[in-house]
Amino acid sequence: AQTVTQSQPEMSVQEAETVTLSCTYDTSENNYYLFWYKQPPSRQMILVIRQEAYKQQNATENRFSVNFQKAAKSFSLKISDSQLGDTAMYFCAFMKHVAGGTSYGKLTFGQGTILTVHP
Amino acid sequence: SAVISQKPSRDICQRGTSLTIQCQVDSQVTMMFWYRQQPGQSLTLIATANQGSEATYESGFVIDKFPISRPNLTFSTLTVSNMSPEDSSIYLCSVVPAGVEQFFGPGTRLTVL
Repeated sequence: AQTVTQSQPEMSVQEAETVTLSCTYDTSENNYYLFWYKQPPSRQMILVIRQEAYKQQNATENRFSVNFQKAAKSFSLKISDSQLGDTAMYFCAFMKHVAGGTSYGKLTFGQGTILTVHP
Repeated sequence: SAVISQKPSRDICQRGTSLTIQCQVDSQVTMMFWYRQQPGQSLTLIATANQGSEATYESGFVIDKFPISRPNLTFSTLTVSNMSPEDSSIYLCSVVPAGVEQFFGPGTRLTVL
């Protein structure tokens, strides 16, 4: 079974600054996907960024980037130029690759990190 | 992508009663997932619902407590049966319309008194 650990229950950052959220995971799988989801107070889960384990290059989406260290099983999220709208709970999630299997799409989530961006 | 709606968005129920939550997707999808998010907690997968077959439940969740229907490729329901205050949670459905990205509904906030 997979486990995902987010060791930072809460983080805060000033607007326009940079913040990094940590995530570690444990798995015996070689092919898998990692995700960061954002859940603002509206409750809507929003995909922020994803990383395929077979790709060495770190994923980037505008102000969001990851530092994926496969050997260390680490997957941190960096938010640059933080904005007030980034205030939310952030979840790290793992999904193993099972082509055609019924487990495809099953996400294992970390405990979440509440990020507050201050003006 | 996929647009997902859930009904009701929230409800307050008495213990011992049951609530059925509906999930509607704007496109046909093979698998739908139901998650539970207890207050201040992370999301936990309840079950995977495939059209035309029995749902597959995760450890700790049973069909008698959380019966699921999947009558077609765009719709599913989750029933929370014989509710107790411990069932107070947000219940979310999700789908993977293509590739690996999972899209979530807005959630149903359930409070059991």
